[in-house]
Amino acid sequence: GAGVSQSPSNKVTEKGKDVELRCDPISGHTALYWYRQSLGQGLEFLIYFQGNSAPDKSGLPSDRFSAERTGGSVSTLTIQRTQQEDSAVYLCASSPDRSSYNEQFFGPGTRLTVL
Amino acid sequence: AQSVTQLDSQVPVFEEAPVELRCNYSSSVSVYLFWYVQYPNQGLQLLLKYLSGSTLVKGINGFEAEFNKSQTSFHLRKPSVHISDTAEYFCAVSDNGGSYIPTFGRGTSLIVHP
Repeated sequence: GAGVSQSPSNKVTEKGKDVELRCDPISGHTALYWYRQSLGQGLEFLIYFQGNSAPDKSGLPSDRFSAERTGGSVSTLTIQRTQQEDSAVYLCASSPDRSSYNEQFFGPGTRLTVL
Repeated sequence: AQSVTQLDSQVPVFEEAPVELRCNYSSSVSVYLFWYVQYPNQGLQLLLKYLSGSTLVKGINGFEAEFNKSQTSFHLRKPSVHISDTAEYFCAVSDNGGSYIPTFGRGTSLIVHP
């Protein structure tokens, strides 16, 4: 079956512009996560969605970052007024439900470069 | 709160040699443990996981890991590596105490030389 997909695969933008990153999770998965991966820094948790519950936004680094999930499926991560330190790979993952014993299924990521 | 430490940022090894990638964790409650692999320009994929039961867990591609509760470790091993095992490896922990967000280590880059 289809895995997690993300678009675009690469995004180059100028400092100060807004960007939108998209994630299509595996069909039927109710849990969705966004992570940021910077060189040598591992995975930094950003935000977590579970079904229709209010998202856990505790990992968002600033109010320039926001995310939504429409209809319990597709999610969009928006970064406003991008800065050079936002350059990273943004990974999306989904999981069947919120059970912590479930593995996460990752997309290939979006590489964001802010000039 | 939980944390994960991957002690080695980079592990170089020759093809067909054995390898061990180290992972230590801390948590105030019982945990579930995972190892993921990330090949270049790809997302992470699950290698293996420990939920309960036997402390020796076997995964894909000939990898295995052993859960050691007293040492709070979950080291990943492979008896004979291939060039194709060159990748980034991440250890992750989640607890069954109500947090649904796993914690990932910073990753270990395994570099297999011919």
